[in-house]
Amino acid sequence: AQSVTQPDIHITVSEGASLELRCNYSYGATPYLFWYVQSPGQGLQLLLKYFSGDTLVQGIKGFEAEFKRSQSSFNLRKPSVHWSDAAEYFCAVGAGFQKLVFGTGTRLLVSP
Amino acid sequence: DSGVTQTPKHLITATGQRVTLRCSPRSGDLSVYWYQQSLDQGLQFLIQYYNGEERAKGNILERFSAQQFPDLHSELNLSSLELGDSALYFCASSTVGGDNEQFFGPGTRLTVL
Repeated sequence: AQSVTQPDIHITVSEGASLELRCNYSYGATPYLFWYVQSPGQGLQLLLKYFSGDTLVQGIKGFEAEFKRSQSSFNLRKPSVHWSDAAEYFCAVGAGFQKLVFGTGTRLLVSP
Repeated sequence: DSGVTQTPKHLITATGQRVTLRCSPRSGDLSVYWYQQSLDQGLQFLIQYYNGEERAKGNILERFSAQQFPDLHSELNLSSLELGDSALYFCASSTVGGDNEQFFGPGTRLTVL
């Protein structure tokens, strides 16, 4: 069965510090992987996606993620966090033209 | 703005009632997905439609039903509502093929009192 694990429920990072959010997945075939961000009271916005090719993918707002097949991971990174990055981040896995399976999310808090 | 619209934005109703949530996909997208986001269950897939036909079903209760109309908009009907149905309901749409990027609407927040 498909599943996504985001082991960190909350993470607090100082503004300007680097960020890494962890995501591990379980999927029977080559996965399509996504990171979405949800600000309070808002919908889900796609940050980046991976389905083939270069395992380091660049997204919007300065985010990047690296697909590591051997570790079944797709961790999200940002070199310098801004206060506006405070939000909830969801990792998701899916195949082509099928439902997405989401992790439980990681809430990012940014301290001044 | 994802291009996916959902109405209403908020809905407050009582237990036992029935409500209809509406979704208009991005122009040209044939596939619509419904997801439920609640505090205890997280983000869960409910149902998918493609060009008017049901394509996949997830953890959707029998009290819930959906349909996609010829103009491709979709409706999610929730009946005999219970307190536990209070959640944020998202609609997403995607185009055929490609990388399965799903574009999410802003959601409908349902509160059952």
